[in-house]
Amino acid sequence: DAGITQSPRHKVTETGTPVTLRCHQTENHRYMYWYRQDPGHGLRLIHYSYGVKDTDKGEVSDGYSVSRSKTEDFLLTLESATSSQTSVYFCAITVGEGSSGNTIYFGEGSWLTVV
Amino acid sequence: AQSVTQLDSQVPVFEEAPVELRCNYSSSVSVYLFWYVQYPNQGLQLLLKYLSGSTLVKGINGFEAEFNKSQTSFHLRKPSVHISDTAEYFCAVPGDSTLTFGKGTMLLVSP
Repeated sequence: DAGITQSPRHKVTETGTPVTLRCHQTENHRYMYWYRQDPGHGLRLIHYSYGVKDTDKGEVSDGYSVSRSKTEDFLLTLESATSSQTSVYFCAITVGEGSSGNTIYFGEGSWLTVV
Repeated sequence: AQSVTQLDSQVPVFEEAPVELRCNYSSSVSVYLFWYVQYPNQGLQLLLKYLSGSTLVKGINGFEAEFNKSQTSFHLRKPSVHISDTAEYFCAVPGDSTLTFGKGTMLLVSP
């Protein structure tokens, strides 16, 4: 257990509304990530962070923004939700730094449905 | 950037039978390889990883994988599966900023 909590775990929202998903970690890890998981696509990286106020885009960042004002929290915002953003969203952290052999640990996921 | 290919989207198998889930990676100078498992409605958890050393890597729940450099493969095996092994399995390799995952293989174990 890497101490990752995602909220909300389930949400239904309407097209065009803003949505924020929160990822909270308790162990002060530097690297945090947001992925989305869709059938046939596996996991795809949306955004990641390598420190407070340090973020960068991943493979599928269009339509998403992130913020990290504290080490422990990494927020993912859908500015104007669309049906194509219906997905399962996973937060993840890396334990350790500087090595690509480090293990990534995942949260339990947030199921988002945009109607 | 490195990538992985999981050749099977679904693998059906009977309980107590052996299973192999296939993963091939794009060639690179140094290779780290991972297998993750995802049970229904849960996040992914690490099954095993290869960093260096012995090419046979043992993981949790009786799974093991063999790193084969000549065939650029990292296949996952278990000699006798249980119903509880029903899950989706992901092979992964370090990418530009984090791990890059394959599209997953659904292991379906039936009685």
